[in-house]
Amino acid sequence: QKEVEQDPGPLSVPEGAIVSLNCTYSNSAFQYFMWYRQYSRKGPELLMYTYSSGNKEDGRFTAQVDKSSKYISLFIRDSQPSDSATYLCAMRRETSGSRLTFGEGTQLTVNP
Amino acid sequence: DAGVTQSPTHLIKTRGQQVTLRCSPISGHKSVSWYQQVLGQGPQFIFQYYEKEERGRGNFPDRFSARQFPNYSSELNVNALLLGDSALYLCASSYLAGFYNEQFFGPGTRLTVL
Repeated sequence: QKEVEQDPGPLSVPEGAIVSLNCTYSNSAFQYFMWYRQYSRKGPELLMYTYSSGNKEDGRFTAQVDKSSKYISLFIRDSQPSDSATYLCAMRRETSGSRLTFGEGTQLTVNP
Repeated sequence: DAGVTQSPTHLIKTRGQQVTLRCSPISGHKSVSWYQQVLGQGPQFIFQYYEKEERGRGNFPDRFSARQFPNYSSELNVNALLLGDSALYLCASSYLAGFYNEQFFGPGTRLTVL
C-alpha cells in the first residue's frame, strides 16, 4: 500500500467552478503537508504549505489538514483556465530532512 | 535571480549505458535533493545532500549515486541503465536540510532509455 494516495483524475471543470482535490495517507508521523502545481514539462511549484492540522488560505486557494482522519484537501475557488495543471500533494516527517513523499498527482483541466 | 537549473534538458541512452545529470541550486542554497518522476506518477525521493554530505537516500538500487560539490552543485549518476529508468529527474534545492525549508524544483532532465 502506498503511503500517500491521490486520485489521479483526470478532473475537468468549467471556468469559475470550485475544485476540490484530496489525498489520504497512512503514516501518522507526517507533520508537514504541501500542495504543488506542475505544468506540463515543468518542475513542481509550491502552492500551499501547512504544518500539522488546520486550515490555511491564500487567495483563491485553501488547504485543509485533518490528521485524525489522515486526510488533506486543496480547494480552488473561481477556477481559471490557467489553473489547468497536475496537482501533487506532498508530505514529510519531522525527522526526515527534506525528503518529501508525494501522491501520484491529479490532472485538472479548467474549460473556458 | 536564477532558479534551480538542470542539464541536459533531454537525454536519450540505451540499456546498459551510464548517465550523469547535473544540477545547480539557487544561489545561497546548501541542500540539494534528487527525485525521479515516472510518467503519470508523483516524484520519488532518491537522494538528499547537504554541505556535501549525504543526508538521506530513498529506495533505489546502488546503480544510483550522487555527489555534491563545494559550490553546492550536484551530479546524479546512474549506471547500467534499464528501460525502467526512463523518467523525469528533478532536482530541488533549499537553504537548510531540516525543519521546514521550501524546496524549489528545477525543470528536470527527461531521460529516455531505449
